[in-house]
Amino acid sequence: GDSVTQMEGPVTLSEEAFLTINCTYTATGYPSLFWYVQYPGEGLQLLLKATKADDKGSNKGFEATYRKETTSFHLEKGSVQVSDSAVYFCALSDSGTASKLTFGTGTRLQVTL
Amino acid sequence: NAGVMQNPRHLVRRRGQEARLRCSPMKGHSHVYWYRQLPEEGLKFMVYLQKENIIDESGMPKERFSAEFPKEGPSILRIQQVVRGDSAAYFCASSMGLEETQYFGPGTRLLVL
Repeated sequence: GDSVTQMEGPVTLSEEAFLTINCTYTATGYPSLFWYVQYPGEGLQLLLKATKADDKGSNKGFEATYRKETTSFHLEKGSVQVSDSAVYFCALSDSGTASKLTFGTGTRLQVTL
Repeated sequence: NAGVMQNPRHLVRRRGQEARLRCSPMKGHSHVYWYRQLPEEGLKFMVYLQKENIIDESGMPKERFSAEFPKEGPSILRIQQVVRGDSAAYFCASSMGLEETQYFGPGTRLLVL
């Protein structure tokens, strides 16, 4: 079945540091890939997405590239801010089961001054 | 343009009682999804509904749980005879159509005493 594996957290960085959160996936079809962010006490917000191989999703300084050869969708940001502190979830929607999202377990990011 | 709305935001029930969680999708969205997030875990798909139809309930426990999305009004997730293991955050998402981006509500945090 479909699955998503994320690096475990928490990840603690100083402000302006470079961020990478690794995400790899297993899917039977041709999935779309997503990063969602969850701030404390809130629901999930879509951060970015990519629907086919080699697509790059980007938003608010975050980027992720859909790599079919390595089945990966790593999240990166060049310079993090304290306000980026949140839990980040990688997810996929398989073309064969487009009705459901399969999530990773989430990676907590804490950014300090 | 209001986003996905869920209520209540917090719900406390004693073991054996019933819990009713409501979700109003974004305007123009006719597809609703329910997910459950256990503490320190990712979201798990429960059920996918369109107006008056359950499309995919493969993630729904076989007993005590039911969901509906009537022609008029919000989608309802109903949990009968709650047990402590039902304590979790329940998130609703909506989309405009199949394979369209899902937008999440703020969640209902259920605590079973």
